[in-house]
Amino acid sequence: EDKVVQSPLSLVVHEGDTVTLNCSYEVTNFRSLLWYKQEKKAPTFLFMLTSSGIEKKSGRLSSILDKKELFSILNITATQTGDSAIYLCALTYKYIFGTGTRLKVLA
Amino acid sequence: GAVVSQHPSRVICKSGTSVKIECRSLDFQATTMFWYRQFPKQSLMLMATSNEGSKATYEQGVEKDKFLINHASLTLSTLTVTSAHPEDSSFYICSAAFGRGGLSTDTQYFGPGTRLTVL
Repeated sequence: EDKVVQSPLSLVVHEGDTVTLNCSYEVTNFRSLLWYKQEKKAPTFLFMLTSSGIEKKSGRLSSILDKKELFSILNITATQTGDSAIYLCALTYKYIFGTGTRLKVLA
Repeated sequence: GAVVSQHPSRVICKSGTSVKIECRSLDFQATTMFWYRQFPKQSLMLMATSNEGSKATYEQGVEKDKFLINHASLTLSTLTVTSAHPEDSSFYICSAAFGRGGLSTDTQYFGPGTRLTVL
């Protein structure tokens, strides 16, 4: 059975801290792994990863995929209160979302 | 670019009535649209995938006669919850993707969601 597991389930940090969110998976047909940020409403796209070992960066966020060990991490450096959200990873081609990590950044 | 709208954003209805939710891609043609359901503090659950001009593909456990999906054009998909019951109360989110195949379809752009409450 295909599954996507994220850890930790929730995390509370202070502004300026660095966080690492994990997404591990078992899927029969892998095509890509995506990271999304969900605040009050629908998710917004962060990254799409298809190849192992190639880091994607966007400002303070970065992500990398390890297709051998079947996981991905999302790093957020110098966290800000605006980073508070649920972070979701998803696997395609069958769109399976992970459980999400709820991040809260305290001022 | 890549904006997806949903309407209505919130709906309250009586048990037994049907509710239609619209999902539109505003500035691109979405050959593939997806419908998700999300319960409080839980992740998104894919309900169905629809390609324009063909029947939707429903996920296991999702009743196709209860959740009617119509992807009539490249910019519009509708989800109709028929004979709604309180257990159908949830947050419904649609998303849209470019193209029919290949990696370009993998990035989904989400609508803002519709909160359905069935009394």
